[in-house]
Amino acid sequence: NAGVTQTPKFQVLKTGQSMTLQCAQDMNHNSMYWYRQDPGMGLRLIYYSASEGTTDKGEVPNGYNVSRLNKREFSLRLESAAPSQTSVYFCASSKGIGQGSEAFFGQGTRLTVV
Amino acid sequence: KQEVTQIPAALSVPEGENLVLNCSFTDSAIYNLQWFRQDPGKGLTSLLLIQSSQREQTSGRLNASLDKSSGRSTLYIAASQPGDSATYLCAVEAGGSYIPTFGRGTSLIVHP
Repeated sequence: NAGVTQTPKFQVLKTGQSMTLQCAQDMNHNSMYWYRQDPGMGLRLIYYSASEGTTDKGEVPNGYNVSRLNKREFSLRLESAAPSQTSVYFCASSKGIGQGSEAFFGQGTRLTVV
Repeated sequence: KQEVTQIPAALSVPEGENLVLNCSFTDSAIYNLQWFRQDPGKGLTSLLLIQSSQREQTSGRLNASLDKSSGRSTLYIAASQPGDSATYLCAVEAGGSYIPTFGRGTSLIVHP
């Protein structure tokens, strides 16, 4: 019973490098989300995808891009990493936005940009 | 914009105490409110989901209530145990934005 799976779990990047964080869910959920969690700031939404084929900006989208590859997968890309992007990144999914449904989270990716 | 506040930010109690964690939100037009638990270095685990039409939900020693009119939810933990030590977060899915907005959490330590 995998739920939401994120890869990688840990990553160290040099400033200016690029990388893609992968997320997949096996619950047939329509909506998927990317959050970042920083000390003292709580979880902040980066991007979300209400349904397959759509993506929208959240609270802190600058420096990131996303792709909803299919219903299962939602990836987050850092084109040119900056130290300010050092954070823990969480992917989540739910049946659908505005449906009052439960959200499920992955285990997170700890990213350090040096 | 929905604002979610959790009080207290940190709490340390002896084992066996009954606890109340608070969550307040500014936009009462919500679809649901969800309580999560997060252990250090781990992801978020869903504890309870309260739909907008519900007043409370219970799971084992946990009880969550929702009062939309006052913009408040409480998480009640009965007979606390050291294994309850974690950060507890609430998230609100509100009308308009639809997306879950989180509070900053309450860090709980239950000592033997």
